[in-house]
Amino acid sequence: AQSVAQPEDQVNVAEGNPLTVKCTYSVSGNPYLFWYVQYPNRGLQFLLKYITGDNLVKGSYGFEAEFNKSQTSFHLKKPSALVSDSALYFCAVRDAFTGGGNKLTFGTGTQLKVEL
Amino acid sequence: DTAVSQTPKYLVTQMGNDKSIKCEQNLGHDTMYWYKQDSKKFLKIMFSYNNKELIINETVPNRFSPKSPDKAHLNLHINSLELGDSAVYFCASSQGGVGTDTQYFGPGTRLTVL
Repeated sequence: AQSVAQPEDQVNVAEGNPLTVKCTYSVSGNPYLFWYVQYPNRGLQFLLKYITGDNLVKGSYGFEAEFNKSQTSFHLKKPSALVSDSALYFCAVRDAFTGGGNKLTFGTGTQLKVEL
Repeated sequence: DTAVSQTPKYLVTQMGNDKSIKCEQNLGHDTMYWYKQDSKKFLKIMFSYNNKELIINETVPNRFSPKSPDKAHLNLHINSLELGDSAVYFCASSQGGVGTDTQYFGPGTRLTVL
């Protein structure tokens, strides 16, 4: 079985400060990990993914995420937050060893609020 | 030039009615999906089609029936709508049906059942 946890419902950060949105996962095999962002009344937008290789993955809008196998984590980071980054962020996981289609399991989402 | 589009954007209907949501993608992808996002923003996959073949069918009431006339379209038909069906329904597509493929989402259809 595959699962993902986002332990924080909301993260508040001041504009210009670094931000971190946490994600931990559980899979039987190797994980494929994704981050998506959802702005109000919009669909999900893909930010970045980890499949294999370098543990630090760079994505859209200056976001990056670090894969840590020993801690089973895939935290999303940005060096300097913008007010426009305020949105709902979803982490998702897919177990590489599971068959039956590309079934992603999503976390419960973390609301990021960036304040002036 | 929208990649994944859905119609309608909003759907308000009475309990017991039958309704359909349409989805189209112009990305040339082989695989399409339907997700349900509930009022707490929890996202769960419902169905997935690869080249018009059903490959994921989660535990969904059989009142929900997906139909894929071709690989660029995946429609969702819902019979005998219930209050609990109120949610936002997202369509998505990916190049193939493997785990490394990124899924791209449509803008969503907000269904309200009265």
